[in-house]
Amino acid sequence: DGGITQSPKYLFRKEGQNVTLSCEQNLNHDAMYWYRQDPGQGLRLIYYSQIVNDFQKGDIAEGYSVSREKKESFPLTVTSAQKNPTAFYLCASTLGGRGRGDTQYFGPGTRLTVL
Amino acid sequence: RKEVEQDPGPFNVPEGATVAFNCTYSNSASQSFFWYRQDCRKEPKLLMSVYSSGNEDGRFTAQLNRASQYISLLIRDSKLSDSATYLCVVNMGTSGTYKYIFGTGTRLKVLA
Repeated sequence: DGGITQSPKYLFRKEGQNVTLSCEQNLNHDAMYWYRQDPGQGLRLIYYSQIVNDFQKGDIAEGYSVSREKKESFPLTVTSAQKNPTAFYLCASTLGGRGRGDTQYFGPGTRLTVL
Repeated sequence: RKEVEQDPGPFNVPEGATVAFNCTYSNSASQSFFWYRQDCRKEPKLLMSVYSSGNEDGRFTAQLNRASQYISLLIRDSKLSDSATYLCVVNMGTSGTYKYIFGTGTRLKVLA
């Protein structure tokens, strides 16, 4: 089955610690995205990557970092510099290219709680 | 004005009813539009995509009005299982680039 996986499903972190959220896809999609969702708010873009070894900041990149060393993988690190990291983190991917390659598919999400 | 706006609801409707949600967007050059369904504490799941005037899939119909810059979602014969939050997403990118703007969602409760 093709799809996007995220791990872990739930993550607890102490203040001051960095944590890395995993996102893997076997859809052969070129582009990948990280969003955060807070209660009552729309999804906000953290980082995105359109091809391997390239990524761009989204609207709320401060306190986060990413890498894209493989097409299938786009891990997100939440650093201690992120002031309010407790949120629901969603990874998505798109086939890319022109035409109808812009449909986003989402992973199941990671719920991060800072203690 | 927000780039993508939705009525947050909740819309409480009886089983079997027809319900419609609207989503307005600010960028007239937007190329593609999506409706997602999101259940509580789960990821958004694609309901349908709209590239031209509209799309239909069973009980669900999406219609795009470019002149008035809104997209609607119509659900006919509502089921209890339709209860969820419906997210409107607009791709405001140009020339093959993607810039997704999400609405905050409309909550639907279908009552027995």
